[in-house]
Amino acid sequence: DAKTTQPTSMDCAEGRAANLPCNHSTISGNEYVYWYRQIHSQGPQYIIHGLKNNETNEMASLIITEDRKSSTLILPHATLRDTAVYYCIVGRSSNTGKLIFGQGTTLQVKP
Amino acid sequence: SAVISQKPSRDICQRGTSLTIQCQVDSQVTMMFWYRQQPGQSLTLIATANQGSEATYESGFVIDKFPISRPNLTFSTLTVSNMSPEDSSIYLCSVEGQGRYYGYTFGSGTRLTVV
Repeated sequence: DAKTTQPTSMDCAEGRAANLPCNHSTISGNEYVYWYRQIHSQGPQYIIHGLKNNETNEMASLIITEDRKSSTLILPHATLRDTAVYYCIVGRSSNTGKLIFGQGTTLQVKP
Repeated sequence: SAVISQKPSRDICQRGTSLTIQCQVDSQVTMMFWYRQQPGQSLTLIATANQGSEATYESGFVIDKFPISRPNLTFSTLTVSNMSPEDSSIYLCSVEGQGRYYGYTFGSGTRLTVV
């Protein structure tokens, strides 16, 4: 499975968009990009995933570059409750196989 | 998405003893996963449990230390054996997504402290 590189930490002002980058330069053609987040003392929560095309759901948007070597998770209007560790994970297929977590990005949303 | 009930939510155990953690899912799933999260660290996959076969362990984890049962498609247990303080962690189970637009679901975790 391809590895990912994320910044260790980021800050974002409440109400502004939070843009979390992820590098996955060794991603292979059949691997998806998944984003999860872990709020303190809770289990990880699924946010979004994608293969090639940009994706949007009620939580966030996922922008994947054309060469698929990097992606950006966008929280359009960050709130204090979005403070969490965000994990970018590359894995095979859609919802099959194991997920290998990296160190993630700690996002601190500030008032 | 699936709903997972994980028990116990926390425990304090004496070194040398064993603790069995239960993971119950509200729907049938093929694969279940067990993770460990040491204090201040990310999640580390311990093993993958498929019903009807032995669990597949990741490098650094062995069946004698972390035996896993998977008796049916909705239940699994992880035992942490012969515990030492280094086993103090949060242990989480996870199941695969239930469809194209659902990711993996995680239990709320078992916070284990070994004294």
